[in-house]
Amino acid sequence: DSGVTQTPKHLITATGQRVTLRCSPRSGDLSVYWYQQSLDQGLQFLIQYYNGEERAKGNILERFSAQQFPDLHSELNLSSLELGDSALYFCASSVGDLRGTDTQYFGPGTRLTVL
Amino acid sequence: AQKVTQAQTEISVVEKEDVTLDCVYETRDTTYYLFWYKQPPSGELVFLIRRNSFDEQNEISGRYSWNFQKSTSSFNFTITASQVVDSAVYFCALSEANRDDKIIFGKGTRLHILP
Repeated sequence: DSGVTQTPKHLITATGQRVTLRCSPRSGDLSVYWYQQSLDQGLQFLIQYYNGEERAKGNILERFSAQQFPDLHSELNLSSLELGDSALYFCASSVGDLRGTDTQYFGPGTRLTVL
Repeated sequence: AQKVTQAQTEISVVEKEDVTLDCVYETRDTTYYLFWYKQPPSGELVFLIRRNSFDEQNEISGRYSWNFQKSTSSFNFTITASQVVDSAVYFCALSEANRDDKIIFGKGTRLHILP
């Protein structure tokens, strides 16, 4: 158990809908990262937050947004869902950011299926 | 352009053999970070190592070792005396400091360790 929790584990929804994925980092970790893994796109980095502020941005679509709350948990909001958004969404956390020496710890992922 | 190439799509070796996974990257930046991640059949992601561009020392962690060579833009990963538990997909990734730390992943190498 990495200590990073993600809810829900599975999510099935329809095109056009909006969903929210939640991530709770390990205790003491200030950074939260979001990744998407799909058969078409492979593994992609979406976004990183550090202590509530956006720190790095990857291939995150405009239909997607994220935030990190004062208690350091993070939410990834996906709207106007399309079939191609079906993927495994991972969250990770670390004490510092990617330029540091800390280990990243990953959650088990949320599998999103868009029908 | 920022790019990571893992030319070996799939590798099979017999247990106890040594195996090297190749990673070649492209970057115009002088400051960048390289990563390796493991994804076992269970699906979770595991962070293995981070290396910054100013540290060309090879790294050894148990049976795992990494060879960073800036001259050939490579960051190869070797497993010594492989074990069945090493069977996984391994991803190499690159982050450039001047590109807002956006992380780019290779397509991964699927490693089968045969008993």
